[in-house]
Amino acid sequence: GAGVSQTPSNKVTEKGKYVELRCDPISGHTALYWYRQSLGQGPEFLIYFQGTGAADDSGLPNDRFFAVRPEGSVSTLKIQRTERGDSAVYLCASSLSGIHAETQYFGPGTRLLVL
Amino acid sequence: KNQVEQSPQSLIILEGKNCTLQCNYTVSPFSNLRWYKQDTGRGPVSLTIMTFSENTKSNGRYTATLDADTKQSSLHITASQLSDSASYICVVRTTSGTYKYIFGTGTRLKVLA
Repeated sequence: GAGVSQTPSNKVTEKGKYVELRCDPISGHTALYWYRQSLGQGPEFLIYFQGTGAADDSGLPNDRFFAVRPEGSVSTLKIQRTERGDSAVYLCASSLSGIHAETQYFGPGTRLLVL
Repeated sequence: KNQVEQSPQSLIILEGKNCTLQCNYTVSPFSNLRWYKQDTGRGPVSLTIMTFSENTKSNGRYTATLDADTKQSSLHITASQLSDSASYICVVRTTSGTYKYIFGTGTRLKVLA
């Protein structure tokens, strides 16, 4: 079956603009994770969904970042008033149920560049 | 502060040789430790997952070890291939009431013919 997909693959925007990044998890996976990866760094946790609810959003850097998963499948990461420091690769991952020792499957990421 | 440190930062080896990557962590409380392989421009792919009670786990030519007492892990790659060239990321999951994964910065491995 299909893996985790993310759209767009690349996004270039201007400082101050609003962007939405989309993640389609593997079908049937209830757990969904968003990460941010800066150049040369490991991914940084942003938010974790269990079904439709955000079980842990403690990684969101500030209130400009928001994520939703209204039907427990597709998720959208929303960034308001983008800043140059938001430029990074945004990775999405999903796992079957979110239990601790479960494999996470990552998407290819969305490369965001804020000019 | 929860941290995951990896060494070396980068490594170049010849095809067919073995290598070992190191991961030290200060994450507490500990749930599990994972090793991922990330090709350039791609998302990470899981290699191994180890819980507290597991000391070693293999996945083909990849063997991971875990010493929960010293909070150290290693990833050993046997008979390296050109396709092993990638970043290898160590990730520790904590059980501190949340679902946080703490990622290391990775080791960039280059295998030369």
